[in-house]
Amino acid sequence: AQKVTQAQTEISVVEKEDVTLDCVYETRDTTYYLFWYKQPPSGELVFLIRRNSFDEQNEISGRYSWNFQKSTSSFNFTITASQVVDSAVYFCAVNSGSARQLTFGSGTQLTVLP
Amino acid sequence: KAGVTQTPRYLIKTRGQQVTLSCSPISGHRSVSWYQQTPGQGLQFLFEYFSETQRNKGNFPGRFSGRQFSNSRSEMNVSTLELGDSALYLCASSGDRGVISGYGYTFGSGTRLTVV
Repeated sequence: AQKVTQAQTEISVVEKEDVTLDCVYETRDTTYYLFWYKQPPSGELVFLIRRNSFDEQNEISGRYSWNFQKSTSSFNFTITASQVVDSAVYFCAVNSGSARQLTFGSGTQLTVLP
Repeated sequence: KAGVTQTPRYLIKTRGQQVTLSCSPISGHRSVSWYQQTPGQGLQFLFEYFSETQRNKGNFPGRFSGRQFSNSRSEMNVSTLELGDSALYLCASSGDRGVISGYGYTFGSGTRLTVV
């Protein structure tokens, strides 16, 4: 079984603030993949990042960065200098070998105010 | 490179009817998964097809079924629609070659089904 918990239901920040979205996952497998997706109002899930369980290096892509901590089963996502266009629902997901499916968290609604 | 195409975009059906949704994956992708998104249950896995075979199935009643054609296009069917089937149905395409799915999943824009 696999599970993802996104404890933050809604976050509201003012433009240019940094914001971190939390994600805690559970899986019994030693090989698994973690994902972050963004869902704007249009509905499409936009892929942001994929991480495998063997690579704990943190990653930075422009204003986005991800912190993977296996010891705490967390895969947190930080947006630096947020912009209004970042407003969306963000989903964290896990896919492990035995499950062969994406299990999503409940999502975090991020609102960036001008 | 064309993305994942789902049709129709919006659909309104009456309780008791049946509905068929279509998904065309990215060219070359053989894995197609379907997800249901509702405000109450969030994103839930329905099933996955790979090379015309259902490889995995979520916890949904038998009213939900699917299939995949030789060109990898997939359809899902819901029979005897209930009000609770109103949802956004998302299709995901993956370049998975049959090993652990570390490949990214590319989602379509979804079909928004409303059952009245």
